[in-house]
Amino acid sequence: DTGVSQNPRHKITKRGQNVTFRCDPISEHNRLYWYRQTLGQGPEFLTYFQNEAQLEKSRLLSDRFSAERPKGSFSTLEIQRTEQGDSAMYLCASSGELQETQYFGPGTRLLVL
Amino acid sequence: SQQGEEDPQALSIQEGENATMNCSYKTSINNLQWYRQNSGRGLVHLILIRSNEREKHSGRLRVTLDTSKKSSSLLITASRAADTASYFCATVSVSSYKLIFGSGTRLLVRP
Repeated sequence: DTGVSQNPRHKITKRGQNVTFRCDPISEHNRLYWYRQTLGQGPEFLTYFQNEAQLEKSRLLSDRFSAERPKGSFSTLEIQRTEQGDSAMYLCASSGELQETQYFGPGTRLLVL
Repeated sequence: SQQGEEDPQALSIQEGENATMNCSYKTSINNLQWYRQNSGRGLVHLILIRSNEREKHSGRLRVTLDTSKKSSSLLITASRAADTASYFCATVSVSSYKLIFGSGTRLLVRP
């Protein structure tokens, strides 16, 4: 257990529905990252926060995806109008101000039917 | 898209043997990190090597970095069945904190 938690761990939804995932980072960490991983591949970067500011977004993050970190603590990732191609593991990671190591949560596995 | 490739894609060895995994990347980096992932779980950080370092050790792990060839290798010595997992290299550039992962090596250590 790295200290980063994610909820839910699993989510099954129907195409077209909206889903929201939550990430609670290690409490003193000011950087928070979201990644997406499909089967047999390495994780791909989605977005990154420093405190409450979203500083970088991947081109993978289409208009249907939105992420927030309102108080610089936990973060949410919402996917609107889900598509079957959104099925993946969504990973959250956090790191401290002077740290280069990112600590990953267990992930949320999304299946879109 | 991912930064680079890992080689081999899959590796099967006997317990007690050494396992070597290679990683190539494309752009200039600040550091390179290796992560391990057990099936369906989150990633665990193993070791970090900075761009001005050539070799680093941690327990049974040895990592090398050759920035001129844009490549790195991870050596696990005296492997154990519990080392069975996927191993990923990930790079951090000089301009961003994000990790760019390779495609991973699936290691199977047979008891």
